Amino acid sequence: QKEVEQNSGPLSVPEGAIASLNCTYSDRVSQSFFWYRQYSGKSPELIMSIYSNGDKEDGRFTAQLNKASQYVSLLIRDSQPSDSATYLCAVNPSENYGQNFVFGPGTRLSVLP
Amino acid sequence: ETGVTQSPTHLIKTRGQQVTLRCSSQSGHNTVSWYQQALGQGPQFIFQYYREEENGRGNFPPRFSGLQFPNYSSELNVNALELDDSALYLCASSVGTGGNQPQHFGDGTRLSIL
Repeated sequence: QKEVEQNSGPLSVPEGAIASLNCTYSDRVSQSFFWYRQYSGKSPELIMSIYSNGDKEDGRFTAQLNKASQYVSLLIRDSQPSDSATYLCAVNPSENYGQNFVFGPGTRLSVLP
Repeated sequence: ETGVTQSPTHLIKTRGQQVTLRCSSQSGHNTVSWYQQALGQGPQFIFQYYREEENGRGNFPPRFSGLQFPNYSSELNVNALELDDSALYLCASSVGTGGNQPQHFGDGTRLSIL
């Protein structure tokens, strides 16, 4: 059973701080990793993808991947109240057969003004 | 660019009934995946369609079935509805079936079973 784990939160940070969201996965052969943001009652929205070990930055967001530790994280710098949402980690376990993304349960982030 | 659209937005059914949910993929996308998201949980993969054929399936019973049409739109059919089928059903589209392709989601259909 392929699993993706996240701390369900809520994670509360003050406005302007760095929010750190973590995700671990069980399938060692996983190659593609995605972070989605989901506001309450809305659908998931793609924030970032990462495929190689190391850091990938896009604006205030940085994704970090460590395949040896089976760990992927998302950092949000200068957090804003509008960042308050549930953040979903998604892992694609196989390069060869479809895109059966496995999602974690999500971490609820609350940015306090 | 037209995004992923789903219909209807809300649906109420009773146990034992059948339901059909519809999805139009984002322009330029030829692959459609369906997910079920229960309250407070992450989406769970139901199946994926590519070139009008099922291209992967999650741990869902056969009463969950689907179709993809030549214009890449798709349907999800659920027979013999059960109370546990109450959830948000999400459609996602992407380009091809490569594992590095991100999926883009529609707004979902919220299905309630009474």
